Amino acid sequence: AQKVTQAQTEISVVEKEDVTLDCVYETRDTTYYLFWYKQPPSGELVFLIRRNSFDEQNEISGRYSWNFQKSTSSFNFTITASQVVDSAVYFCALSPQYGNKLVFGAGTILRVKS
Amino acid sequence: GAGVSQTPSNKVTEKGKYVELRCDPISGHTALYWYRQSLGQGPEFLIYFQGTGAADDSGLPNDRFFAVRPEGSVSTLKIQRTERGDSAVYLCASSATAYPNNEQFFGPGTRLTVL
Repeated sequence: AQKVTQAQTEISVVEKEDVTLDCVYETRDTTYYLFWYKQPPSGELVFLIRRNSFDEQNEISGRYSWNFQKSTSSFNFTITASQVVDSAVYFCALSPQYGNKLVFGAGTILRVKS
Repeated sequence: GAGVSQTPSNKVTEKGKYVELRCDPISGHTALYWYRQSLGQGPEFLIYFQGTGAADDSGLPNDRFFAVRPEGSVSTLKIQRTERGDSAVYLCASSATAYPNNEQFFGPGTRLTVL
């Protein structure tokens, strides 16, 4: 069975602070894919990143960075110098080796205050 | 280009009624997915189509739920004898192919309220 756990229900930070959103996953597949999506107040899920299980290189995109550690089954997301526009619900998701259904975590609400 | 669209954006119905929710995927996308998102939760998979056929319907909660995609483009999610527990946001997504590493593009959702 596939499972994604986002233990942080809600995080509040002040603008310009760095913040890390945790994601832990469970799967028996040897090949799988991990995703992060952002859901702003408007409601539409926005794709942020995809990683496959063979690629443990960390990735940086502007103020966003992702740390994939297979040894701890974690795929954490860091926002550097947070901005008010980063306020949203962030979802981590897992796609199995076969089949396309995304298994989502419960999400982390991020509130960035000015 | 146009993204995934869903109609209606909001649907209020009474317990026991039948509803249809429509999804228009991105043009050319062969895979289409339905998810359900309850308040404070992540989306839960319902069903996905590869072309016209349902490749995986393991997430449909019971036989009151049914989905079709007759021409391999637009899809309709049908719910019979609605119950209050069916109230949620129903999300549709599409991807270019059915490979599991493909990005799924989501629509704005249909908020279903069953009174």
